[in-house]
Amino acid sequence: AQSVTQLGSHVSVSEGALVLLRCNYSSSVPPYLFWYVQYPNQGLQLLLKYTSAATLVKGINGFEAEFKKSETSFHLTKPSAHMSDAAEYFCAVNDSGNTGKLIFGQGTTLQVKP
Amino acid sequence: DAGVTQSPTHLIKTRGQQVTLRCSPKSGHDTVSWYQQALGQGPQFIFQYYEEEERQRGNFPDRFSGHQFPNYSSELNVNALLLGDSALYLCASSLRGPMNTEAFFGQGTRLTVV
Repeated sequence: AQSVTQLGSHVSVSEGALVLLRCNYSSSVPPYLFWYVQYPNQGLQLLLKYTSAATLVKGINGFEAEFKKSETSFHLTKPSAHMSDAAEYFCAVNDSGNTGKLIFGQGTTLQVKP
Repeated sequence: DAGVTQSPTHLIKTRGQQVTLRCSPKSGHDTVSWYQQALGQGPQFIFQYYEEEERQRGNFPDRFSGHQFPNYSSELNVNALLLGDSALYLCASSLRGPMNTEAFFGQGTRLTVV
């Protein structure tokens, strides 16, 4: 069965610094991977998705993620953090054989310090 | 496009009561999935509806039931509420198709059981 592990429940960076949020997956089939962001008291917004077309995926708000099969990872990065990036970030994998059923990691809270 | 809409946004219920949450999917979407997000956790899949039938179910008791209507909107019902049912309930809609189809989330319904 698929699973997702997000390393680090809290990440703190300074404004302008590199953001790196880690995600490792377990899947018996080629995975479809997603990163979602959740602002306080809101639903989830899709940042980007991996669909096997390219290993480096660019998303909204300057975020990107690189799929590394050898490391079973899909880490999220942003070159320069902005205060507005402070939020909860979730990595998810699409359950095999079932469109739309997502398996989420525990989430990483990103804090951006001025 | 209104996106995915959920109602109500907040709800307070007493233990033992029953609750119904509602979801209207994004225009053009035919599949609705429900997730429970406990405080500080990632969303957990409850079940998915397509063509008015429950297609897949997560590890939730029978107290959790649902329905999908001909217009693709959906309801989540929870009977005999427990304190542990307090959570953010998220509805996600998608279009049945390729595995890389993304799910769009609503703002959620915050349920508090007292």
